Amino acid sequence: QQQVKQSPQSLIVQKGGISIINCAYENTAFDYFPWYQQFPGKGPALLIAIRPDVSEKKEGRFTISFNKSAKQFSLHIMDSQPGDSATYFCAASNIGTSGSRLTFGEGTQLTVNP
Amino acid sequence: NAGVTQTPKFRILKIGQSMTLQCAQDMNHNYMYWYRQDPGMGLKLIYYSVGAGITDKGEVPNGYNVSRSTTEDFPLRLELAAPSQTSVYFCASRTGTGDGYTFGSGTRLTVV
Repeated sequence: QQQVKQSPQSLIVQKGGISIINCAYENTAFDYFPWYQQFPGKGPALLIAIRPDVSEKKEGRFTISFNKSAKQFSLHIMDSQPGDSATYFCAASNIGTSGSRLTFGEGTQLTVNP
Repeated sequence: NAGVTQTPKFRILKIGQSMTLQCAQDMNHNYMYWYRQDPGMGLKLIYYSVGAGITDKGEVPNGYNVSRSTTEDFPLRLELAAPSQTSVYFCASRTGTGDGYTFGSGTRLTVV
């Protein structure tokens, strides 16, 4: 059962544009929603995360928008740069469960053209 | 501060062979995890541990075993390797406070 569904699978954006990646989840017990960035040959690195008590969190050019009623959250990358070209994963977990283990989306390969 | 260290980085195994993927962290994290990453499939949890001596199965544990004798080390054992185990394996750790994972750089395994 796919508990976190991510779209699109791939995304091409021009430099300076806005990149938007969406995720939907099924488990209403999830209470922690991080985004990870992965460059080729590297492990994923935490980019930004949100808890369900807020609807938006911004860190620099990266913003998470969270819609609890729709069970959806999205990553917005403003003023996208070629250096942002990477694979992005959304994830979710229930902090109270054993291991607080993350369930990941399928990933989005972002390409930012110069 | 090395973070999470995985060895080896690359390995080719023949069908039926066994091997151990090593994972060590120097951050005194209680929680450790093993994921596999296949193209277009995201990361799938194999096993996890909430502390030394405590391990539990994740989503895709078949064909794998783990142990956690110390806080620092969390090796993943593959017995009787199969082509379906061709993947990139990531080890991760976290403090246990609800913060994000710290991932290692991965082990790319090919079973032929």
